[in-house]
Amino acid sequence: DTEVTQTPKHLVMGMTNKKSLKCEQHMGHRAMYWYKQKAKKPPELMFVYSYEKLSINESVPSRFSPECPNSSLLNLHLHALQPEDSALYLCASSQDRWLRNTEAFFGQGTRLTVV
Amino acid sequence: GQQVMQIPQYQHVQEGEDFTTYCNSSTTLSNIQWYKQRPGGHPVFLIQLVKSGEVKKQKRLTFQFGEAKKNSSLHITATQTTDVGTYFCAGIISSGSARQLTFGSGTQLTVLP
Repeated sequence: DTEVTQTPKHLVMGMTNKKSLKCEQHMGHRAMYWYKQKAKKPPELMFVYSYEKLSINESVPSRFSPECPNSSLLNLHLHALQPEDSALYLCASSQDRWLRNTEAFFGQGTRLTVV
Repeated sequence: GQQVMQIPQYQHVQEGEDFTTYCNSSTTLSNIQWYKQRPGGHPVFLIQLVKSGEVKKQKRLTFQFGEAKKNSSLHITATQTTDVGTYFCAGIISSGSARQLTFGSGTQLTVLP
């Protein structure tokens, strides 16, 4: 199994809503990532989890709250988002966060629209 | 901040023509990876280059890593319509105890039949 599974695939939410994005991998990877991608732009790193601990937070606003319940799961909790937060949210995993001889596997993403 | 730039931003080619995208980093990279993202899809890993001056080939794709480990290129020979997509280089930059995968700005390739 070399897949990273993200749910939901599409999400429309209001600015007062609370929602969560979910990500799952069963490759035994110990590093998991959240990226944000706007149209025609590269993915931008948001968070890195290594061995279920948050190791990098790229100055992401607190309305985005990551959670890593176990080594296979990664969540992104959303609250009070703004329309400019609309984007494709990509989850990725790799064997470890050192990326020495390993690549990142990306999920298909959640396309988020904030109205 | 650390940046990885790619040129060109867009490239339209006729099927059968060659295509090259160039990647430049403002800092020395530990290694560099290349990803392809089809329209509406997600990034998919193509290859990783680690050594200075390294050249790797995958069928019609040739990847190079510069001697100074600050630039890289991807060359596609005789493009096909299946090559359509955005090609991203992604540099691995060491910063203290952290290593981050920083994506280049991407080159969007259109192949006209």
